[in-house]
Amino acid sequence: GENVEQHPSTLSVQEGDSAVIKCTYSDSASNYFPWYKQELGKRPQLIIDIRSNVGEKKDQRIAVTLNKTAKHFSLHITETQPEDSAVYFCAASSGYALNFGKGTSLLVTP
Amino acid sequence: GAVVSQHPSWVICKSGTSVKIECRSLDFQATTMFWYRQFPKQSLMLMATSNEGSKATYEQGVEKDKFLINHASLTLSTLTVTSAHPEDSSFYICSASFEGRTQYFGPGTRLTVL
Repeated sequence: GENVEQHPSTLSVQEGDSAVIKCTYSDSASNYFPWYKQELGKRPQLIIDIRSNVGEKKDQRIAVTLNKTAKHFSLHITETQPEDSAVYFCAASSGYALNFGKGTSLLVTP
Repeated sequence: GAVVSQHPSWVICKSGTSVKIECRSLDFQATTMFWYRQFPKQSLMLMATSNEGSKATYEQGVEKDKFLINHASLTLSTLTVTSAHPEDSSFYICSASFEGRTQYFGPGTRLTVL
């Protein structure tokens, strides 16, 4: 089955800096890669996703890049703000089910 | 749009009792619903996938007789934790999708078994 690795597990940045979270996946059939943000005790919220026919997607301060050959994808957050502090999960899917990475706890300090 | 609700939001029960958690898609028809379990500071672990009107598909290591899943309509799926024990205490989250598109998550149910 699919195995998704996510790094780093924790990330601390200063407000205004950029944050990058990287994920790798094992199943070459995976074609959908969403990123979720989860605040403590709350539901995961989809923040951006990318499909395998696209190499990069951007939405304001958030961007995702995908390298299908190397089987890795990354989340980039620019101009970070304290409210970006949360746990971020990457996921990969070849059909309906999502396989999640272990999460990255991002802390943005003022 | 794409709102998913869960009920209850939290529940405390005695060991040996059964607990039912409901997951509803409020503004769309969910052809597929998923049930996840999340332990503190850990990732979401998929327990099972259910398609409306058919039996759920359970992930390896998840006991189907202990975690009963019913997806009787396009807007409702239920998870029943039977004979709950303290090790079943966790945060249970459902998600719903329409025809393989984006998954929308419910707010989760925190189960504590005493």
